[in-house]
Amino acid sequence: ETGVTQTPRHLVMGMTNKKSLKCEQHLGHNAMYWYKQSAKKPLELMFVYSLEERVENNSVPSRFSPECPNSSHLFLHLHTLQPEDSALYLCASSQEVTGNQETQYFGPGTRLLVL
Amino acid sequence: AQSVTQPDIHITVSEGASLELRCNYSYGATPYLFWYVQSPGQGLQLLLKYFSGDTLVQGIKGFEAEFKRSQSSFNLRKPSVHWSDAAEYFCAVGARGGYNKLIFGAGTRLAVHP
Repeated sequence: ETGVTQTPRHLVMGMTNKKSLKCEQHLGHNAMYWYKQSAKKPLELMFVYSLEERVENNSVPSRFSPECPNSSHLFLHLHTLQPEDSALYLCASSQEVTGNQETQYFGPGTRLLVL
Repeated sequence: AQSVTQPDIHITVSEGASLELRCNYSYGATPYLFWYVQSPGQGLQLLLKYFSGDTLVQGIKGFEAEFKRSQSSFNLRKPSVHWSDAAEYFCAVGARGGYNKLIFGAGTRLAVHP
């Protein structure tokens, strides 16, 4: 148990569906991250939020829409996805200290299958 | 640009044998270095990290790693592997001076034979 929870753990959706992934951290951190983990590829950073502001959008298609309503919660809204978007989506959190690298703590992930 | 290379995609060892997983990085200065482990169906768990100081770093579950600046390496070691160590291991590098960004290697999948 890392202090970062993700729901749902598994999700199957059609290409025309709209769904949302939720991440919650109980560590008092102020930065949160979405990563995509596909088979046989390194983890890809998608989005970074620091103090509830988006500081990184790593060329992610607009069918992925993040939302960070407060420092404890992070959402990833999904719409009109493609089968190649099937992957494990990992959320992470850390303290954000300007100029320093802080340890990121990961949730268990949401396994997404797009049909 | 930063990058991380884990040369071994799969490694198989016998239970009780020693283990070394390789990690090489590319970065212009002294980086922050991490090893994470991922069990099947789970997220990533931090094993250990190097920020500064002693280049031999101790982590959880009996793992250690050594930072070698001259070789741009941060190899992970364990003297005696347990069956429960079977998992995927990721090396990551973080930049100094910028916001909190990690670059991950492709991972090494470890299998343990009884």
